[in-house]
Amino acid sequence: DTGVSQDPRHKITKRGQNVTFRCDPISEHNRLYWYRQTLGQGPEFLTYFQNEAQLEKSRLLSDRFSAERPKGSFSTLEIQRTEQGDSAMYLCASIGSGGGYEQFFGPGTRLTVL
Amino acid sequence: AQKVTQAQTEISVVEKEDVTLDCVYETRDTTYYLFWYKQPPSGELVFLIRRNSFDEQNEISGRYSWNFQKSTSSFNFTITASQVVDSAVYFCALVSGYALNFGKGTSLLVTP
Repeated sequence: DTGVSQDPRHKITKRGQNVTFRCDPISEHNRLYWYRQTLGQGPEFLTYFQNEAQLEKSRLLSDRFSAERPKGSFSTLEIQRTEQGDSAMYLCASIGSGGGYEQFFGPGTRLTVL
Repeated sequence: AQKVTQAQTEISVVEKEDVTLDCVYETRDTTYYLFWYKQPPSGELVFLIRRNSFDEQNEISGRYSWNFQKSTSSFNFTITASQVVDSAVYFCALVSGYALNFGKGTSLLVTP
């Protein structure tokens, strides 16, 4: 069990560019979450997958954001036409199907939009 | 509406002192789950404990203990004999539907 991994760990981009982040959950975890965390705040929920189905999306997820989990394993989060307000830590978490609600988090991707 | 309040933004203690981190929550659900996570300077959130709404027993794990009181909607976290390695941001969270609803966190600094 290697834990949740995220790539890249850091991303610096210019305003207007598109960025894509990847999350690999703990193997066999069927539930996957994306959160965003800004400085001095707790993580805020963005979206949730059960297997490949995206079951819930936060109002925070504007139409510039899209997330996929095509085969029910890894997930990608894409931000189009980035804005400075998108600068944040993007966290991924996963839970197995065997019950329990504790989410296991990855190290996050820190995005800086210049 | 689900809400988690951590009124203490920052706490600073000297090593070996005991410290309590407060968490107050709001929910209309009768069944719910509460959590504490630790976020060290490295940034990765580390799960500490889960408590469900039907289990009001206090829990102790080494130097950590948790006091869950439904009557006051509180789920407080105490670190006994704090150590420098305890320095981190601590988050209380409540399951809201599918997702965790986090408080704003309490930054704990333990100095030698």
